[in-house]
Amino acid sequence: ETGVTQSPTHLIKTRGQQVTLRCSSQSGHNTVSWYQQALGQGPQFIFQYYREEENGRGNFPPRFSGLQFPNYSSELNVNALELDDSALYLCASSLDPGQGAGANVLTFGAGSRLTVL
Amino acid sequence: AQKVTQAQTEISVVEKEDVTLDCVYETRDTTYYLFWYKQPPSGELVFLIRRNSFDEQNEISGRYSWNFQKSTSSFNFTITASQVVDSAVYFCALSEVPNYGQNFVFGPGTRLSVLP
Repeated sequence: ETGVTQSPTHLIKTRGQQVTLRCSSQSGHNTVSWYQQALGQGPQFIFQYYREEENGRGNFPPRFSGLQFPNYSSELNVNALELDDSALYLCASSLDPGQGAGANVLTFGAGSRLTVL
Repeated sequence: AQKVTQAQTEISVVEKEDVTLDCVYETRDTTYYLFWYKQPPSGELVFLIRRNSFDEQNEISGRYSWNFQKSTSSFNFTITASQVVDSAVYFCALSEVPNYGQNFVFGPGTRLSVLP
């Protein structure tokens, strides 16, 4: 069983630039969620993708956007980077939301650490 | 609004001591799920347990045990005979919606250091 993989693991950008982070979901999972984890804090929900559509969004501005592909992999895009965007970005996959009790156990990747200078 | 509080920012114990990590949650929903995740230095959050709001039975898994009390909105986690490998940040989380648009709310985490 392949786990959740994310790339890149680390990257440095400057303010105003754009970044794309990638995530491959665990085998058998068709739902992907993205979380932002600032240093010393808990993860915060950005959005979830299911069937290639955004299926729930947290309190993040529109410059945070995403995609899900037919193979269930996903991208997180952040435009016009700000210093406060520096964080660990975690991708999590899970089963079809409609599958009931098993659906909302999230399997996380190791994250992409973004530093904005 | 939903909220998770983990009042203990950092805990240090000596190996073989027992340690309890506290979690208090707030929700207006009657159906919800509670979770504990472990985040080792590698960064990946590792699922430990899920409990739904209708199941108040305590659970034990090896050296880990969980105490869920709806009356006090608490879901505490105890590690018995702690080991150095237990050193990590532990997060308690709440999910009010088990299906579409699922949104986990995580607490701020408790950093546990187990000293040899």
